[in-house]
Amino acid sequence: DIQMTQSPSSLSASVGDRVTITCRASQSISNYLNWYQQDPGKAPKLLIYAASSLQSGVPSRFSGSGSGTYFTLTISSLQPEDSATYYCQQSYISPITFGGGTKVEI
Amino acid sequence: QVQLVESGGGVVQPGRSLRLSCAASGFTFSDFDMVWVRQAPGKGLEWVALISSDGRNKYYTDSVKGRFTISRDNSKNTLHLEMNSLRAEDTAVYYCAKMYGKLTAYNWFDPWGQGTLVTVSS
Repeated sequence: DIQMTQSPSSLSASVGDRVTITCRASQSISNYLNWYQQDPGKAPKLLIYAASSLQSGVPSRFSGSGSGTYFTLTISSLQPEDSATYYCQQSYISPITFGGGTKVEI
Repeated sequence: QVQLVESGGGVVQPGRSLRLSCAASGFTFSDFDMVWVRQAPGKGLEWVALISSDGRNKYYTDSVKGRFTISRDNSKNTLHLEMNSLRAEDTAVYYCAKMYGKLTAYNWFDPWGQGTLVTVSS
């Protein structure tokens, strides 16, 4: 199985800060990498697919990059509503696997 | 708009069975692969099962193989997860999600239902 490792597991930042979350795959997954945002008690929401494509309706302050085994999710200017847990997910091969999550606090 | 509504969760004793359902609306259900993803209390996301649009192909995570069965009724726009021989470690919120793409190509899950809680406890 492909292991997905996110770092950090949690972070605290201020409104307006630039925040970067990293996700590493245990083997190359090309750009078969998605990012989700989950608010407490809510279902996950798709932010980024295919490593860098922004899902419709998602604010442009969110961006994704990377390929192979190293990926990043960046929030260019952190907003109060961005307080959530973020998960990366590889869709390269079954079993589909998720990273452990990064909790972002404002 | 696309909507997914799960039902069927509850408290069940270890070794017993439970059947989850996911009612889909707002899109052509029979055109899309569907998945179940679970989240244990305070933990991360775990993909559980996937079924192709025509129901012919099914995939499972190792921990549920032989115990869980994913199925769908395209005439009723409904996805199911039959869970047998339940264990304490199956306790989780179970989400259904619509899958864009195919397992052999780019794919992602969007949207997700609100989830249904399954608690396995004596």
